[in-house]
Amino acid sequence: DTAVSQTPKYLVTQMGNDKSIKCEQNLGHDTMYWYKQDSKKFLKIMFSYNNKELIINETVPNRFSPKSPDKAHLNLHINSLELGDSAVYFCASSQGRRAANYEQYFGPGTRLTVT
Amino acid sequence: QKEVEQDPGPLSVPEGAIVSLNCTYSNSAFQYFMWYRQYSRKGPELLMYTYSSGNKEDGRFTAQVDKSSKYISLFIRDSQPSDSATYLCAMSPMNTGFQKLVFGTGTRLLVSP
Repeated sequence: DTAVSQTPKYLVTQMGNDKSIKCEQNLGHDTMYWYKQDSKKFLKIMFSYNNKELIINETVPNRFSPKSPDKAHLNLHINSLELGDSAVYFCASSQGRRAANYEQYFGPGTRLTVT
Repeated sequence: QKEVEQDPGPLSVPEGAIVSLNCTYSNSAFQYFMWYRQYSRKGPELLMYTYSSGNKEDGRFTAQVDKSSKYISLFIRDSQPSDSATYLCAMSPMNTGFQKLVFGTGTRLLVSP
């Protein structure tokens, strides 16, 4: 009964490849997020979707493309992977767009290593 | 300069000590303040949440916000080895229609038995 799940947990790939990370939440939330956590533990938001609509799109290379097929799923596709893309990618979800519904639930993370 | 600054640590304390974790921020629009705990190789989990200035207590944890100084704190009383983790502060402005959290870099806490 995992709340927010991500696959795969680990991803090792070579520069130039294209890869996808999948996220699913079973909490009934309507808002989902992708975060990147670098080697210094700095967690930075990349994207957010509310009811399949993109509502946050930070300054992220356009090699990164999120896709939300429905409210419970948010996938992240990365083209032409670079060494600097190595990081832990976290998916999160929350209920509602208002800041009053504050709690974001995080998945276990996907550790991406680009060689 | 980052919007939210946090000492990365590590902060090493003996079991039973009182721990003080802090963040400073520069954006006066921040109104919602949170503390997340992250164990090694896990996702962050929400510990405490406060709105605007003031204190909030939950068991051994107390969160304080001083908006005039742009400074927030998390106190842990009677610290336990199980408290060893990275503590991330996060904040959000009030006037956004969505929860764009800005995180600090996290402070790594080590509590020794």
